[in-house]
Amino acid sequence: EVQLVESGGGLVQPGGSLRLSCAASGLTFSVESMNWVRQAPGKGLEWVSYTSSGGGTIYYADSVKGRFTISRDNAKSSLYLQMNSLRVEDTAVYYCARVRSGGYSDSWGQGTLVAVSS
Amino acid sequence: EIVLTQSPGTLSLSPGERATLSCRASQSVSSTSLAWYQQKPGQAPRLLIYAASNRATGIPDRFSGSGSGTDFTLTISRLEPEDFAVYYCQQYGSSLFTFGPGTKVDIK
Repeated sequence: EVQLVESGGGLVQPGGSLRLSCAASGLTFSVESMNWVRQAPGKGLEWVSYTSSGGGTIYYADSVKGRFTISRDNAKSSLYLQMNSLRVEDTAVYYCARVRSGGYSDSWGQGTLVAVSS
Repeated sequence: EIVLTQSPGTLSLSPGERATLSCRASQSVSSTSLAWYQQKPGQAPRLLIYAASNRATGIPDRFSGSGSGTDFTLTISRLEPEDFAVYYCQQYGSSLFTFGPGTKVDIK
């Protein structure tokens, strides 16, 4: 069974930084593309960032470009999201998700809450 | 960037009724890149349909997807109590992933 477990969320002040992690098990992580997707309180889903299996292809949503950095450590079966210059509007639950060919996600973590507030 | 619009915003139905949810794209979307998800409060999204019309593993056959180009539909043939939730369509193309705003299916 595929398991994705996010961690690293918390309360941070505007302008601050946070690093999220996603630990994967039950899959061959090194061959899987991955996404970060977020959901602000009471709002819909918003895609944040994508990485291919080897990390050679990376995409970002315009809303986070230049502030967030996605990375992965295939030896540790882990995905990361470094978030800098955080804004109030970055407040959300952040999910990691496996991306299959065609762009859909069939496995999701439970999410980690990031709250940006002074 | 392709924008997805979902309608209606809220659908109020009774158990046993048929639900028809619409997802419209601002430009043509490849059918292989259109998916539907279900989300319940406090839970992660759950994949229902991929490539416009293929049910994901373990999804009951009362869920079906159809459409092509700019118009896609998710149909729930007979609503069960556990189907009351929010449904999102999602597409992938041109190095971007986009979600629709969602349709809430609630109990009438």
